[in-house]
Amino acid sequence: DTAVSQTPKYLVTQMGNDKSIKCEQNLGHDTMYWYKQDSKKFLKIMFSYNNKELIINETVPNRFSPKSPDKAHLNLHINSLELGDSAVYFCASSHSPGANVLTFGAGSRLTVL
Amino acid sequence: KQEVTQIPAALSVPEGENLVLNCSFTDSAIYNLQWFRQDPGKGLTSLLLIQSSQREQTSGRLNASLDKSSGRSTLYIAASQPGDSATYLCAVKGTSGSRLTFGEGTQLTVNP
Repeated sequence: DTAVSQTPKYLVTQMGNDKSIKCEQNLGHDTMYWYKQDSKKFLKIMFSYNNKELIINETVPNRFSPKSPDKAHLNLHINSLELGDSAVYFCASSHSPGANVLTFGAGSRLTVL
Repeated sequence: KQEVTQIPAALSVPEGENLVLNCSFTDSAIYNLQWFRQDPGKGLTSLLLIQSSQREQTSGRLNASLDKSSGRSTLYIAASQPGDSATYLCAVKGTSGSRLTFGEGTQLTVNP
């Protein structure tokens, strides 16, 4: 059973489209995250939710909107996709915001043409 | 603002060699430092976590050291194997908040 699962694993789409990436964790964790890894392999945090409430919101274009229907799910919706949005997006979870260990998903590779 | 740098960006070694990966960070006010492994198409796997009060951690052939005052950490891999080939990422957690700041990684290739 995958602890943190993301779908889809690969997503290829045209500029201007709207797309979503879904994330689910079955670890019973309270805190979930979205990280973006760009072409230079830098992983940067985008958002973090604790028990469905937003606790970290980095300087991310408002075209990106996270949604957490419950503490086991954190979805990422992206409007009006741009070429620069092409990256690998990683979901992660932890027991609490202060927990040492984050468990990462396998990543979702988004390619915008 | 915390910045994490990893050197070298890429490393290719023959099987059996001992090797060292380097990580440096600009703000020494850290809560902990972690080394991750990233395999293509897979998520990140945590290898070692060093609390700010610790100097090193060991797991099997891996040893990670932390010198918080100088803002440095090293990951030592003994007797490298082809299966060690992956990207190794260093990440620090600041004393406030829950975010991790990552370096851009070292891509390691161990040749049989």
